[in-house]
Amino acid sequence: ETGVTQTPRHLVMGMTNKKSLKCEQHLGHNAMYWYKQSAKKPLELMFVYNFKEQTENNSVPSRFSPECPNSSHLFLHLHTLQPEDSALYLCASSQRTSSYEQYFGPGTRLTVT
Amino acid sequence: GQQVMQIPQYQHVQEGEDFTTYCNSSTTLSNIQWYKQRPGGHPVFLIQLVKSGEVKKQKRLTFQFGEAKKNSSLHITATQTTDVGTYFCAGVPTQGGSEKLVFGKGTKLTVNP
Repeated sequence: ETGVTQTPRHLVMGMTNKKSLKCEQHLGHNAMYWYKQSAKKPLELMFVYNFKEQTENNSVPSRFSPECPNSSHLFLHLHTLQPEDSALYLCASSQRTSSYEQYFGPGTRLTVT
Repeated sequence: GQQVMQIPQYQHVQEGEDFTTYCNSSTTLSNIQWYKQRPGGHPVFLIQLVKSGEVKKQKRLTFQFGEAKKNSSLHITATQTTDVGTYFCAGVPTQGGSEKLVFGKGTKLTVNP
């Protein structure tokens, strides 16, 4: 399945670093999502974009900054992260929000040292 | 907040045994979706149920949506080692105005060959 791609697949960064995660969908969808998956909270919604507009920010700390330049691309900019931010970050897309099935990318495994 | 509860959290079965996971919402859902995540993989959409009392089958998998549209179940008949993974339900609450898909915490299934 290559409908939703994510880069990098693995990332190790220090707490003072700045990095970005990239997601691209080739499905012609209009909604894109960022999820955090960790042992404590299996699937935690972070942000939702619908037609490039952010429609949901699930009380995410400002050290995570999303960007959606168009309906096919989604970024998550990271800065001054904490070790507890280590997790699998999953991107997903759907035709629209709500009742449409979501297609997930393979995720970026992030380790903050 | 709106919650989707899933039980059990873990289930270990012998190959050939049946398996059921249950999903319960505190509010009425407009639809329910089921996803499967293999170990080391990402969630993959399985099915969506929309109608009250709806039952759908996919080979050995049977999905049900409750009459009140507050609960759902996934039943696997005669499990195989390929069924290993975490099964998530997700629903869109009809109340609240948000179109956010709310995920349960998942049921992790292991199958002993």
